[in-house]
Amino acid sequence: DIVLTQSESLAVSLGERAIINCRSSQTLLYNSNNKNYLAWYQQKSGQPPKLLISWASTRESGVPDRFSGSGSGTDFTLSISALQADDLAVYYCHQYYDPPYTFGQGTKLEIK
Amino acid sequence: EVQLVESGGALVQPGRSLRLSCKGSGFRLRDYAVTWVRQAAGGGLEWVGFIRATTHGQTKKYAASVEDRFILSRDDSEGVVYLQMNSLKTEDAALYYCTKGFTDHFAFSVSWGQGTLVSVSS
Repeated sequence: DIVLTQSESLAVSLGERAIINCRSSQTLLYNSNNKNYLAWYQQKSGQPPKLLISWASTRESGVPDRFSGSGSGTDFTLSISALQADDLAVYYCHQYYDPPYTFGQGTKLEIK
Repeated sequence: EVQLVESGGALVQPGRSLRLSCKGSGFRLRDYAVTWVRQAAGGGLEWVGFIRATTHGQTKKYAASVEDRFILSRDDSEGVVYLQMNSLKTEDAALYYCTKGFTDHFAFSVSWGQGTLVSVSS
C-alpha cells in the first residue's frame, strides 16, 4: 500500500503563509497522462471533509485562491497564503493512484 | 445542490452484520463512482472502498482491513449504494461517510455526506 506522510501539526500566525507537506512512499505521477493522483481535503471540527485540490494542483470551484497545491512524483505541498482564523482545521492528503487508496494522517493547522 | 445521505448506522455486537445505505440527490448517483470513508472517534480518515459506475463494470476495491467482510453494491434504479458489513469487529466502530466520486471511473471523493455512526460493542 502507498503510505502518505504528513507532519502532525503546524502553528502559523494570522496573515502568514502556511505550508503543509505530504510525502508519498511511491510516485503518484501517472506517466501516460502526466497527472499526479493526489488530492487535499480540509476538515473542520464536527464537519465532513471538503475537497480543496485534486490532481495535485487543481483548485475546486469555490475554494479561495489563497489555497494552492504543488508538487509532483512523491513530494507535494498545500500552501495557504494570508492565513485566516477560519482556516483552522485538519488537512489531509489523499492518493488515488493505486487501490487501496490511502490518506495521510492529517496535519492539524493551529493559529500561533 | 449535490447531497448524499447515509443511513443504517447502529450499535451492534461484535460478529454481527449491518448494512449502510447511501442515497444521492441533486445528481444522478448511477453516473458516478461512490467511495466510503470512515473515521474513528478522534482519528483520521480511513479509506474503506469504492464501487465504480455500471459503465465501468461496477468495479469494486476494498481496504485490506475490510476485504472479505465488507461488500459494496449499487441499485441504479433506486439511486442507492449499499455497504454490507459482516463479521463486525470493535475496530470497525466509526463514522462512515459516503462520497461521490469525480467521474464514473475516478473515485476520489468530491462531495461528502454527513456520515452515519457505527458502534460495535458487546
